[in-house]
Amino acid sequence: EPEVTQTPSHQVTQMGQEVILRCVPISNHLYFYWYRQILGQKVEFLVSFYNNEISEKSEIFDDQFSVERPDGSNFTLKIRSTKLEDSAMYFCASRYGVWTFHEQYFGPGTRLTVT
Amino acid sequence: QKEVEQNSGPLSVPEGAIASLNCTYSDRVSQSFFWYRQYSGKSPELIMSIYSNGDKEDGRFTAQLNKASQYVSLLIRDSQPSDSATYLCAVNPPVYRGGGADGLTFGKGTHLIIQP
Repeated sequence: EPEVTQTPSHQVTQMGQEVILRCVPISNHLYFYWYRQILGQKVEFLVSFYNNEISEKSEIFDDQFSVERPDGSNFTLKIRSTKLEDSAMYFCASRYGVWTFHEQYFGPGTRLTVT
Repeated sequence: QKEVEQNSGPLSVPEGAIASLNCTYSDRVSQSFFWYRQYSGKSPELIMSIYSNGDKEDGRFTAQLNKASQYVSLLIRDSQPSDSATYLCAVNPPVYRGGGADGLTFGKGTHLIIQP
């Protein structure tokens, strides 16, 4: 069964450094998402992406964040200058289409630790 | 502000019994409702989706939706120790409000413990 994959599984970085988190969505899916989950807290929406542009972003997704689909398979989240509070699990998700019955499927996540 | 509320638990249920998980949501025009299961340190795994009022059954799982009361529930029959996890309720607005592109709004989850 097709699945969303993410790399790396764990990333440790120093405060102020740039990180790129990578995702390969399910191949025929059209909508891509990033979420984060700070330890012990709820899953929070960051951004959605369709047709090579951002469709929607939350207030968390500020100028420090960017997303890109550099080729036909990868979907990346870049954090320009990491802060301690960026430490969290980052989940990529994808969805086939826009209609109600097209559910979102999540990748295994990248644990980001900022020291 | 879209809100999804769940009792955080823990909810402790004996093996073989029915576990009942509840969720309320604030955005009255929400269209799509999902239950995800999340094991500790893992990603959310979709187990049920429901879009119309009433019940939807899939194996041991039954999702119930009452839009008038803005209430969603999940029943797990014949609970097994492997069902022990955190269950996340998630909501999506309708398509005409960007429901396809908007991210899901999640509740904090209910921690379910199935006692052998």
